[in-house]
Amino acid sequence: AQTVTQSQPEMSVQEAETVTLSCTYDTSENNYYLFWYKQPPSRQMILVIRQEAYKQQNATENRFSVNFQKAAKSFSLKISDSQLGDTAMYFCAFMKHGTGTASKLTFGTGTRLQVTL
Amino acid sequence: DAGVTQSPTHLIKTRGQQVTLRCSPISGHKSVSWYQQVLGQGPQFIFQYYEKEERGRGNFPDRFSARQFPNYSSELNVNALLLGDSALYLCASSWEGLRRSYNEQFFGPGTRLTVL
Repeated sequence: AQTVTQSQPEMSVQEAETVTLSCTYDTSENNYYLFWYKQPPSRQMILVIRQEAYKQQNATENRFSVNFQKAAKSFSLKISDSQLGDTAMYFCAFMKHGTGTASKLTFGTGTRLQVTL
Repeated sequence: DAGVTQSPTHLIKTRGQQVTLRCSPISGHKSVSWYQQVLGQGPQFIFQYYEKEERGRGNFPDRFSARQFPNYSSELNVNALLLGDSALYLCASSWEGLRRSYNEQFFGPGTRLTVL
């Protein structure tokens, strides 16, 4: 079974600053995906960024980038130039790769990020 | 294009009652997954259905059941409700081709269930 741990329940960052959210995971699988999802207050969950475990290069999506350390089973999210609209719960999630198996996401407990003026 | 839709938005039930939640996937998506998100926690996987067949089931009691219809919409049923079933129930749809490498899951807004 896979586990995902987010050790920062809450974080705060000033607008335009950079913040890093931490995530560690545990798995015996070799092929898998890691994700960061954003859940704004009273709004639906959306995918922020995805990382394939077989890729050594860290994924980047505009202001969002990850630091993927496969050996350490660490997957942190860096948000640059933070904006008020980044205020949300952020969930780290894991999915095993494989055909014919359930596309099951295993989530961490989340980090509540508040962006302030 | 319409995203994933869920109904109802909110629901209040009493212990012991039964509830049915509904989900319509994005057009063209053949897979629907259900997640339970208890307040202050991350979502937990309940079921995945693909082409009307159950593809996966999480660690939930038999009180939880689901089905998928020919139009790929889905229902989640929970019998004999307990206070602990109070949660946000999320539905996610994905395409899921035969040669699945990665299929992004798109989430609906959820149904907030309160059990009194």
